[in-house]
Amino acid sequence: QSALTQPRSVSESPGQSVTISCTGTSSDVGSYNYVSWYQQHPGKAPKLMIYDVTERPSGVPDRFSASKSGNTASLTISGLQAEDEADYYCCSYAGRYSWVFGGGTKLTVL
Amino acid sequence: EVQLVESGERLVQPGGSLRLSCAASGFTFTRFSFNWVRQAPGKGLEWLSYIGEGGSSNIQYADSVKGRFTISRDNARNSVYLQMNSLRAEDTAIYYCVRDFNWVFDYWGQGILVTVSS
Repeated sequence: QSALTQPRSVSESPGQSVTISCTGTSSDVGSYNYVSWYQQHPGKAPKLMIYDVTERPSGVPDRFSASKSGNTASLTISGLQAEDEADYYCCSYAGRYSWVFGGGTKLTVL
Repeated sequence: EVQLVESGERLVQPGGSLRLSCAASGFTFTRFSFNWVRQAPGKGLEWLSYIGEGGSSNIQYADSVKGRFTISRDNARNSVYLQMNSLRAEDTAIYYCVRDFNWVFDYWGQGILVTVSS
């Protein structure tokens, strides 16, 4: 149950795009299309942004998109806005009713 | 409106026990699975435990809490519980109750900070 690997921080200017990677193994990300992404602002509970690798819940802007290739999933945020500044966590189902999170990525909008 | 509200004691001594409760409302409780996820101060999210719609027939724990924590649910009370025993300083964290819909953590409670300290 090792954590998925994410960059600790990324930064980009408003209006630009940024991609956050999430690397797991063939036992989690590589085996299941149950990768999700969560946004967490300071002092708040995480919020679901992407599920089933690429799907956006109702209400999440289409500036948020995601994909997966092999053992690595990616979250892309285009047209960055100040409100996107937050911590982002990936999560993958790992079989037998267990899940594993990434270590989290702090996004700074310059 | 979906609501998940965690409650319980917030301070416990090392070696002690604590039970967290999660009161659910705004949806049909019996149709969903639930999880507990925690976040140590300044750290990332850690999945802890899962309980399926059927209750005790589908339960799982992270290695870090297996044998010390017990998850349960009471469908009559629309509640999920986490019994935590043999608590250590490293168990200090915000504990979130999370609804699970088809392996997706779609709704989170506001979290409850549990501090293990003498």
